[in-house]
Amino acid sequence: EAGVAQSPRYKIIEKRQSVAFWCNPISGHATLYWYQQILGQGPKLLIQFQNNGVVDDSQLPKDRFSAERLKGVDSTLKIQPAKLEDSAVYLCASSLAVNNSPLHFGNGTRLTVT
Amino acid sequence: RKEVEQDPGPFNVPEGATVAFNCTYSNSASQSFFWYRQDCRKEPKLLMSVYSSGNEDGRFTAQLNRASQYISLLIRDSKLSDSATYLCVGNNAGNMLTFGGGTRLMVKP
Repeated sequence: EAGVAQSPRYKIIEKRQSVAFWCNPISGHATLYWYQQILGQGPKLLIQFQNNGVVDDSQLPKDRFSAERLKGVDSTLKIQPAKLEDSAVYLCASSLAVNNSPLHFGNGTRLTVT
Repeated sequence: RKEVEQDPGPFNVPEGATVAFNCTYSNSASQSFFWYRQDCRKEPKLLMSVYSSGNEDGRFTAQLNRASQYISLLIRDSKLSDSATYLCVGNNAGNMLTFGGGTRLMVKP
């Protein structure tokens, strides 16, 4: 079974620039999550999708972050404009069902904002 | 109070030792609990789910204590390769899966 695919693996941008991350979940997984993990901390949920609908985006900084999952499969997370404090690893995860199934993570995208 | 809380450690133990971590959660209605392992600069990987009756997988045992609202992970006969950060997961007040900050384990020869 192919795992969760993410790209790019690394991205370095200057503050105020824009960046986008892509995720392809495990086939058949209806639920997709984007987490932000700052060095030394646990992953923090940014947004959760069930198929192409948003289940929770309460911790997504909506003035600069946006995410979509238009066809209920792939998802993109965008930051515009980036700030220094956005430097983190952005992890995409998927699961079979909402909240009760374990999450399967992609390799993550390491973002550095200079 | 954080919704899922862990002692960050590090826990430094010798090879062969038994070590246990606890993780407290604030949502008494939380139904789903997991332990994940995260190696340096890698993504979290599922170690085990935590069931009400407790569960064991080789050297690893997970327990749930609903009365005191914590889950535990016990590692017996620690190996050097067990060195990692261990993340616990539970449901927050909105029923979203929420991670603790992680507990760092270092197993030394």
